[in-house]
Amino acid sequence: GESVGLHLPTLSVQEGDNSIINCAYSNSASDYFIWYKQESGKGPQFIIDIRSNMDKRQGQRVTVLLNKTVKHLSLQIAATQPGDSAVYFCAENIGGNYGQNFVFGPGTRLSVLP
Amino acid sequence: DSGVTQTPKHLITATGQRVTLRCSPRSGDLSVYWYQQSLDQGLQFLIQYYNGEERAKGNILERFSAQQFPDLHSELNLSSLELGDSALYFCASSPRGQFYEQYFGPGTRLTVT
Repeated sequence: GESVGLHLPTLSVQEGDNSIINCAYSNSASDYFIWYKQESGKGPQFIIDIRSNMDKRQGQRVTVLLNKTVKHLSLQIAATQPGDSAVYFCAENIGGNYGQNFVFGPGTRLSVLP
Repeated sequence: DSGVTQTPKHLITATGQRVTLRCSPRSGDLSVYWYQQSLDQGLQFLIQYYNGEERAKGNILERFSAQQFPDLHSELNLSSLELGDSALYFCASSPRGQFYEQYFGPGTRLTVT
């Protein structure tokens, strides 16, 4: 498949361990954030979202933490599996109501070791 | 599978040429978004259509244009291609009224030589 982000930071995690992927966002007025997963040769896939009035949101095996003080977002993946290997990136909505103002981070490549 | 389809999957063309990328949104979705993803770059929003009309424009070059047809499929036209236009081009669609919930297609890899 196509290579996305050949020079992205890489996080290597042992299978079964927890993964933490970080993202610094740019705009203190951003009101909505999304984490995406992008596997090789595929389009981005929604994982979890969080609004700016929340600090934490949990999904299935994933948790997103939002620290507005330092404009930091993290994605925690519990019990990381080989199928979690992908590029993960965050997106912030910097304004507008039609989904046209998302700013996407460059991403982090997660590599799950057997 | 997101339900969004894009064709072609790969496209190789020469500088100065013109290409058309096609996107079919998920059934029932009225909004279509086009994005460009270059190596080592985040996704860049290009343009959005809603029910046939242009809704928002992002960092889209004048050499690029798009349209959404009555059957809601969309086409992105790239002309006078330059080497720097080589990238992945993604289309996304969103459900009626849910603009933040975007479903991405598999992308078209454009290589300009």
